[in-house]
Amino acid sequence: EVQLVESGGGLVQPGASLKLSCVASGFTFSDYWMSWVRQTPGKTMEWIGDIKYDGSYTNYAPSLKNRFTISRDNAKSTLYLQMSNVRSEDTATYYCTRVALFDYWGQGVMVTVSS
Amino acid sequence: EIVLTQSPTTMAASPGEKVTLTCLASSSVNYMYWYQQKSSASPKLLIYYTSILASGVPDRFSGSGSGTSYSLTISSMEAEDAAIYYCLQLTSTPYTFGAGTKLELK
Repeated sequence: EVQLVESGGGLVQPGASLKLSCVASGFTFSDYWMSWVRQTPGKTMEWIGDIKYDGSYTNYAPSLKNRFTISRDNAKSTLYLQMSNVRSEDTATYYCTRVALFDYWGQGVMVTVSS
Repeated sequence: EIVLTQSPTTMAASPGEKVTLTCLASSSVNYMYWYQQKSSASPKLLIYYTSILASGVPDRFSGSGSGTSYSLTISSMEAEDAAIYYCLQLTSTPYTFGAGTKLELK
């Protein structure tokens, strides 16, 4: 069974950094591009970016490219999202998902940016 | 960036009623993908490559369209279909979602 489990969320102050993790199981993680998507409290869905199966290439939404970094550790079947200089508008639920079809999603992790 | 416009924003349907949701793209896309999200759950893939049902999805769901106009149809509304439905384009980055259609049970 494919499973994606995110962690690392919580309450963070504006301007701080935060790193989210997504542990994958039930499939060969190193065979797939992976992606991060976020959903705002108002239910708007936004694609953050993705990473090639070997970690050699990343793609980002232009508005987030300078503050967010996606990486992966295939030995640990883990996807990461490094968020820096966070803002109130980054408050959202963050999902990892398997690219090609966005067919499997994690349960999501909530990030709240507030002082 | 390709903008996806979903309509209606909200609708209510009675059990057994046929429901059609629409997704219009600002530029032509190769395929459309549809997701269902119930309450606080994660999005669930319903349809990929415009018209192919994902595994386990009831056959009352169907998808169609091409170019800039796509639709998701529920042939006969059931209570469990009450949810928010999103379309997604994977033709060009940044990948974009529609704003969603909230489907309620009447």
